[in-house]
Formats: sequence, structure tokens, C-alpha cells
Amino acid sequence: DTEVTQTPKHLVMGMTNKKSLKCEQHMGHRAMYWYKQKAKKPPELMFVYSYEKLSINESVPSRFSPECPNSSLLNLHLHALQPEDSALYLCASSQTESSGNTIYFGEGSWLTVV
Amino acid sequence: EDQVTQSPEALRLQEGESSSLNCSYTVSGLRGLFWYRQDPGKGPEFLFTLYSAGEEKEKERLKATLTKKESFLHITAPKPEDSATYLCAVPDSWGKLQFGAGTQVVVTP
Repeated sequence: DTEVTQTPKHLVMGMTNKKSLKCEQHMGHRAMYWYKQKAKKPPELMFVYSYEKLSINESVPSRFSPECPNSSLLNLHLHALQPEDSALYLCASSQTESSGNTIYFGEGSWLTVV
Repeated sequence: EDQVTQSPEALRLQEGESSSLNCSYTVSGLRGLFWYRQDPGKGPEFLFTLYSAGEEKEKERLKATLTKKESFLHITAPKPEDSATYLCAVPDSWGKLQFGAGTQVVVTP
């Protein structure tokens, strides 16, 4: 069982809605990530938080807004999304951001934008 | 340019029929190679990390090996529950995981 917990597992939202995805880990990891995965494609990195500070933003549109309230929690705020944003959103964590540290993924949140 | 290539794209096996998946990589200064298993609709499940050529790791029917240019994931006497997509990934110099496209494995009884 994964130790990275994501909620909700499924979310359907309209293009004018505001919603949030939530992620929690209790492994004491100091790096947390958001990935996006489309069907039959590998995960694509969106954001990296290191010690609760945004470290990497992979040129993600501003309709996606990450937040790291503390070292265990990571949120992804969603607003004015497009149907093409429908995907599996994966939260992940690692001990630190350093290369070579194993990255552990959550089960994901399935997002459908209608 | 850092690149990760997996082959084959898909693999159909009979139960008990052993086989190998390949992951070849071009990255300067390998900082680890990761294997994940992903079931449909779920997040990738960590399997192995390999750091140096010659290293091998095993877990149940899976064995991962690493050379200077590629890694193999050997599946010995697979069972239907081994059906999944297997992903390999290497971190680039920024720590960002570069994933291969994955190998979809189907094991039939």
C-alpha cells in the first residue's frame, strides 16, 4: 500500500468550477511533487516543492495553482480548467529533491472536466 | 539529450512463460534507475532502484539488472497478477524523472 494518500479519487468539474486535489504523506519526506498522466502516456512533472517551497514549475498554466501548507500536505487548486486537462493527477514524495532519491507515488486523482 | 527508451511496447505472455523487458538510457552521470509497476487507473508502484552497473535486485518473480547503457526487468514464471504496465525512469541532472513510454505486459492463464 502506498503511503502517499490522495483525495478525492475521482472528480468531475465544470469549466467554471473551482476545486482542489489534496495529498498527504507521513514518511517525513521533504520533497513533494505533482504529476499529470494522460492515457497510455508516462507521468509528466508539473510542480516540485522542496522544504515547503516551490522549487520547479514546469511552465504549467496558471489555472493550476499548487500549495504546500506544511511538510506533509500538498494541494493542487483548480480553476477554469479545460476539457483537455482531464487526466490522472499524481502526487508523489521523496526524502529530498536530490537526484537518486526514490520517488513514491500516490494512487492518483482522476479528473474529468466537462 | 537525456533519453529513456523501453522495449517492447507490449508483451503478451502465457502463465509461466519467462521473459525480459528492456530499458535503455542516455543520461550523463547516472544517479539511479527506477522501475515502477502501474496498474490501470492507479499510480505507479515503486519496485526497484539500481545505482551502479552490475547491480541486481529481486522481488518475488521480478529481477532487475543494470549495465552502463540499459536495464532489464526479468519476469520469471509470470502469473496473471503480474499483468501491468512497467515503467522505468532515470533522473536528469535537475533531478527530474525522465520516464520511458512503458511496456504493457499481459499474462494469460
